[in-house]
Amino acid sequence: DAKTTQPTSMDCAEGRAANLPCNHSTISGNEYVYWYRQIHSQGPQYIIHGLKNNETNEMASLIITEDRKSSTLILPHATLRDTAVYYCIVSEDSSYKLIFGSGTRLLVRP
Amino acid sequence: AAGVIQSPRHLIKEKRETATLKCYPIPRHDTVYWYQQGPGQDPQFLISFYEKMQSDKGSIPDRFSAQQFSDYHSELNMSSLELGDSALYFCASSSLSGITDTQYFGPGTRLTVL
Repeated sequence: DAKTTQPTSMDCAEGRAANLPCNHSTISGNEYVYWYRQIHSQGPQYIIHGLKNNETNEMASLIITEDRKSSTLILPHATLRDTAVYYCIVSEDSSYKLIFGSGTRLLVRP
Repeated sequence: AAGVIQSPRHLIKEKRETATLKCYPIPRHDTVYWYQQGPGQDPQFLISFYEKMQSDKGSIPDRFSAQQFSDYHSELNMSSLELGDSALYFCASSSLSGITDTQYFGPGTRLTVL
């Protein structure tokens, strides 16, 4: 079973920041938080991952709470092409199987 | 940058037939993973290989088998196909011996069983 809880769906306006929350209250000390997204039946796309510290790359930022029980993926300026299902996955190592939960369906509105 | 290649992209088979799906990992990636995504469902892990040896196994039916070859490509063999096998099949690859072990996914093979 997935170790994460995410809202079923969210929406935001184009050009605004999209903040996607994820709860992972049972995360263990050596587990990472990974974010992937899937755009309409395409292969899941890696976005970002982190262990303790906040992370940023060209796609998004990942904010992890100090107790590591939750995190937020931030898309700073959402575009229509960001409409997708976003999966938050907890895994000791990306070399292990990824267990996908239900994810959050993000709709970016014009 | 080179990505994971899967072939064929679409496959239509009859019940009880066999199917072979192929996956070509990103160059220098040594680990391959297979996932199945049924209609309206989330991807589910099937099996993985590291350096040609099976490294993990998920909910893969006994009718399915897979292997990784010396050039690191992998094949998923599916026999006695059932209607319920209709799904998207994704392959992902990673490099356990490289700088990053992030899994990168291919575009998938859509299998339709009639």
